[in-house]
Amino acid sequence: GDSVTQMEGPVTLSEEAFLTINCTYTATGYPSLFWYVQYPGEGLQLLLKATKADDKGSNKGFEATYRKETTSFHLEKGSVQVSDSAVYFCALMVDTSGTYKYIFGTGTRLKVLA
Amino acid sequence: EAQVTQNPRYLITVTGKKLTVTCSQNMNHEYMSWYRQDPGLGLRQIYYSMNVEVTDKGDVPEGYKVSRKEKRNFPLILESPSPNQTSLYFCATMPGRAYEQYFGPGTRLTVT
Repeated sequence: GDSVTQMEGPVTLSEEAFLTINCTYTATGYPSLFWYVQYPGEGLQLLLKATKADDKGSNKGFEATYRKETTSFHLEKGSVQVSDSAVYFCALMVDTSGTYKYIFGTGTRLKVLA
Repeated sequence: EAQVTQNPRYLITVTGKKLTVTCSQNMNHEYMSWYRQDPGLGLRQIYYSMNVEVTDKGDVPEGYKVSRKEKRNFPLILESPSPNQTSLYFCATMPGRAYEQYFGPGTRLTVT
């Protein structure tokens, strides 16, 4: 079945460090891929997305590239800030004849230290 | 302001006492969904609705009911809550084929 696997956290980094959070997926068909972010006490919000192979999603300095050959969508940021501390979720969505199936990974907690 | 609202935000109840968590959206989105978030398990879909009067089971529907009588509302009903339904619940909406979901602020439910 369809699934998303992301690296377990927590990930602890110093401010201005480079961030990578790994995400791989298994899906039938051609999924769209997403990264959502959840700040403490809030709901999830979309960070970036990619809808087809080789697309690069980017937002707020974060980037992820849809790699069909490795079934991956790793999240990267060149220089993290304390304000990036949050839980990050990788997700996929498959549109099957107008029915949308959305699957989330287990989330990776990021803590950035000043 | 475009938003998804959930009520209540926090609820402590006892086993077997029926409860309803409401979800309302003002964005005219067709698709609505309920998730539960548990440590180590991420978000799991409970039910979803493609449009009014159209609902379907997600991955963990046991013990839950939903209804979609009007586009803006999608209540989650626990007829006989049990302690294993203690969780953080999120309602989400999606505008057709845009695929991006908009989440409510969450409802933290504790069943004793």
